[in-house]
Amino acid sequence: GQSLEQPSEVTAVEGAIVQINCTYQTSGFYGLSWYQQHDGGAPTFLSYNALDGLEETGRFSSFLSRSDSYGYLLLQELQMKDSASYFCAVRDRGQNFVFGPGTRLSVLP
Amino acid sequence: GAVVSQHPSRVICKSGTSVKIECRSLDFQATTMFWYRQFPKQSLMLMATSNEGSKATYEQGVEKDKFLINHASLTLSTLTVTSAHPEDSSFYICSANAGGADEQYFGPGTRLTVT
Repeated sequence: GQSLEQPSEVTAVEGAIVQINCTYQTSGFYGLSWYQQHDGGAPTFLSYNALDGLEETGRFSSFLSRSDSYGYLLLQELQMKDSASYFCAVRDRGQNFVFGPGTRLSVLP
Repeated sequence: GAVVSQHPSRVICKSGTSVKIECRSLDFQATTMFWYRQFPKQSLMLMATSNEGSKATYEQGVEKDKFLINHASLTLSTLTVTSAHPEDSSFYICSANAGGADEQYFGPGTRLTVT
């Protein structure tokens, strides 16, 4: 079967660094994506890792270890607007994506 | 970046009626679109994959006769919830890949409330 695991909630203060982990078990694997979703809104793409290693995009970085079936999203210099739900998603076959349960990030002043 | 629109953004309907939701790719052609359903504070659950010019592929547990999907052109896919019931109330989101890219572009979602 397909399963992805993420922490359900994370809380941090402005300016801090937060890491959101994702472990997965899927029948196929083409890559790991991360999406941000604010309440009432649609998910927006943050990053995609197909190969092992770290991808950096501004304040956000994403890491993948295929041998460990593990990845993480790193958010630096947290801002209040970063409060949202973050989903990891595995591209398991063709163009299909399986989403994790989501991590709700709360950034406190 | 690629833009995907959905219409309507919100709809309230009576139990037993049907509701059609449109998903359009505005500045790219999408041979494949995806329909998701999301309950409050939960993850996105893939309902079906919509392929232009062919039948949709439904995920296990999704009734194809209840959730009719039509992908008539490279820029438009529709989801019709037939004989809607209160338990169908949810947030429905479509997405599309721009030509096999690894990034999915999501529409703004449609919040369906069945009374």
